Amino acid sequence: DIVMTQSPDSLAVSLGERATITCKSSQSLLYRYNNKHYLTWYQQKPGQPPRSLIYWASTRESGVPDRFSGSGSGTDFTLTISSLQAEDVAFYYCQQSLSAPYNFGQGTKLEIK
Amino acid sequence: QVQLQESGPGLVNPSETLSLTCDVSGGSISSGSYYYSWVRQPAGKELEWIGRIYSSGTTNYNPSLKGRATFSVDTSKNQFSLKLYSVTAADTAVYYCARGVKAEHLDNWGQGTLVTVSS
Repeated sequence: DIVMTQSPDSLAVSLGERATITCKSSQSLLYRYNNKHYLTWYQQKPGQPPRSLIYWASTRESGVPDRFSGSGSGTDFTLTISSLQAEDVAFYYCQQSLSAPYNFGQGTKLEIK
Repeated sequence: QVQLQESGPGLVNPSETLSLTCDVSGGSISSGSYYYSWVRQPAGKELEWIGRIYSSGTTNYNPSLKGRATFSVDTSKNQFSLKLYSVTAADTAVYYCARGVKAEHLDNWGQGTLVTVSS
């Protein structure tokens, strides 16, 4: 199984500042046949289901604000929120979907400083 | 816009079977473009991928469940189901159903349903 490890476990950032969350996989998430990395970032607010933000490591889901961006390759990936807004307070999870079981990271709690 | 809604008992006795159904509206479950997943989340903990089923009936399960899970799909009712056998307190969680797309991510989720395993 591919193990997903996020860091940090929690993060406090001032409004308007940059927030960065990293995700590391135990194996490369590159699918060679289409050169895509099968890494998705989800946002989960209290009492709500997760919401897909970024897939294929860097493709923003329709309707997601452009302050959210994803980057990375191989085994190392990053979710960046360029200018933190109050509504971004949430848990963030990465998930690999290259090889079943499609494991999630343990999550990162993002708060306002 | 497709919508998913979980339903089923909120309380299950230990050693018995947890049964949940996910109703899909706003789109046909028979479309070959999608698959349907179950994900669970114990209170205050991380998400766990239980597995997925295609409308064809093809399935993938998380080995962590040690063969206790079974999925089925009913295209006539536009719904899919989860059965989890021999449950224990460790299976207490919010269970989500979700739709997966060819880019292999879950783009639509149900609101989730809390299932408690207790006598």
